Amino acid sequence: ETGVTQSPTHLIKTRGQQVTLRCSSQSGHNTVSWYQQALGQGPQFIFQYYREEENGRGNFPPRFSGLQFPNYSSELNVNALELDDSALYLCASSLGFRTGPNEQFFGPGTRLTVL
Amino acid sequence: KQEVTQIPAALSVPEGENLVLNCSFTDSAIYNLQWFRQDPGKGLTSLLLIQSSQREQTSGRLNASLDKSSGRSTLYIAASQPGDSATYLCAVSSGSARQLTFGSGTQLTVLP
Repeated sequence: ETGVTQSPTHLIKTRGQQVTLRCSSQSGHNTVSWYQQALGQGPQFIFQYYREEENGRGNFPPRFSGLQFPNYSSELNVNALELDDSALYLCASSLGFRTGPNEQFFGPGTRLTVL
Repeated sequence: KQEVTQIPAALSVPEGENLVLNCSFTDSAIYNLQWFRQDPGKGLTSLLLIQSSQREQTSGRLNASLDKSSGRSTLYIAASQPGDSATYLCAVSSGSARQLTFGSGTQLTVLP
């Protein structure tokens, strides 16, 4: 069974640029959630995708957007990067958010630095 | 709005000690509570999940309890080892997407 994978591992961008981060969910999982973790803080919920539809969103501006594909992998896109977007971006997958224990399994994260 | 608080923010103990990490949350309407471990610069490793109908879960030297009505959970680590050194995060699942709301973590150092 393959766990959650994310790419790239590290990324350096400049202010105003756009970035795309990728996540492959654990085998059999149809729900993907994205979180942003600033240094020294707990992760914060960005949004969730269930069967290719956005299912919920945290307190993040529209320049944070996402996609989920038929194989349940997902992308996080951030436009017009700001310095405060520098963080560890974590992807988590789970099996069906409406049923079962909904245990979330996390990938290793993508470290984004905005200069 | 759900808020999660973890106390203490940092803890340093000698090897072999038993210890307790605390987590509190403001809204008792949760689906579950998860404890995670995070090593520096790494992703999150799930340690224990307690469903809202359960009172505790155990895995090896770890035991987590949940008191939903009072909004509290504890993580008990028995016979601590230097390899237990990491940040421990508590998260509750709530809301329409059952999203996780995290505390800021407890940074644990176990001294040899």
